[in-house]
Parts: sequence; structure tokens; C-alpha cells
Amino acid sequence: QVQLVQSGAEVKKPGASVKVSCRASGYTFTSYGISWVRQAPGQGLEWMAWISAYNGNTNYAQKFLGRVTMTTDTSTSTAYMELRSLKYDDTAVYYCARDSIRVGATNPVYYWGQGTPITVSS
Amino acid sequence: EIVLTQSPATLSLSPGERATLSCRASQSVSYYLVWYQQKPGQAPRLLIYDASTTAPGIPARFSGSGSGTDFTLTISSLEPEDFAVYYCHQRSNWPPTFGQGTKVEIK
Repeated sequence: QVQLVQSGAEVKKPGASVKVSCRASGYTFTSYGISWVRQAPGQGLEWMAWISAYNGNTNYAQKFLGRVTMTTDTSTSTAYMELRSLKYDDTAVYYCARDSIRVGATNPVYYWGQGTPITVSS
Repeated sequence: EIVLTQSPATLSLSPGERATLSCRASQSVSYYLVWYQQKPGQAPRLLIYDASTTAPGIPARFSGSGSGTDFTLTISSLEPEDFAVYYCHQRSNWPPTFGQGTKVEIK
């Protein structure tokens, strides 16, 4: 069965960086992409970025350009999302989700990780 | 980017009642509209994709309709486990975007 297991909760200070991992199992990792979606406390869902696990191509939401970097390690079927220059309003639960291998796909996202709470606090 | 506007923000209903949720897109998304259900502390759960196709394992009381800019999610008869927040989501035009959510609460 498809599973996406994310790293645990973190507390960071403003200006710091955080790196969240998402380990995939139950499918061929390089046949899909990974999207990252976040949800601030009591708020809605916000799509952040996508990476192809096949060739590393990426696509970012405009507001995260320059502050988010996504990578994959195909040897361990793990995707990573690093967010830099953290601000208080980056406090949120960050989800990874299995996505299409190509950018611009219309296929729905079905499988999600359990979420990683990130708290930015001084 | 495409803006999705959901209404109402909150829907107060009793078990057994019919729920009708609306999602309007700022421009056409064809039929590439998805509905998710989310409960506290959980990841979103896919209910409907391509506007009207029910995802595997989703009860028949959930149905979706619409195309272009106007979409509806209908829950024919609310069960206790259906009280949650529902989000619409478009992938017609990247970046993908979500509506702000409709909370279905127990009256």
C-alpha cells in the first residue's frame, strides 16, 4: 500500500531554516512527483511546490520562490522540502502528497503524508 | 492564479439532512475540480475528482456536479462522520489552488 511518512514536529526561531522529509513506500518512487501543501492553524490549504522524482524538475508557487528548495533521494525514496528565512506566519502543518510525474497535470492527488507541524517561535 | 470561492463558510445541519456546498472559480477550470474532506488532525481525504467522479471507497451519498466555473458537492443524507471541513481544489491551471473551505457542523 502507498505510504508517505513525514519527519516529526519541529520548533524553529525566526530567520532559521527547516528541512522536512517525506519517505515514500508501496510504489515506484521515480514514477511520480511530490507536492508540498501547508496549512496554517485554523486556516485552509495552500499549495507550495512540486518536484518530479524522475528528473528533479520543480515548480514553485510564486510566493515561495527563492525561499523553498525541494530535493529527492531516489536511493531512499525520500523527498525533502527546505524552507529558509522562517517567519512567524510560516507556522503551519506541512504535508507532502504523491503527485504526477509531470508539471501541470490535472490528475487528483490521492495519497498524503501525515503532516509535519512546524512552529516558528522566538 | 485561479481563485476558488466556496460558500457558505459554515453549514449547520442535522444528521440525515442534505448538504449542498458550492465552489466558484474565477475562470474556467473545465471539469478539473476536486473535493476533499478534512477532519481535525488529519490529512485531506479525496472525495470527488474530475468534478463528478467519486474516489474509490467513498460512500454513494457523496456526489459532485458542475463544469467551467460553478461546482457543487452534495451529501445526500448526513452521517455523523460527515461533519468536517470540505475544500474544493483545481488543477486545471497551475499553480494548483484551493478554496477557503466550508465547515459542515452539527446543528
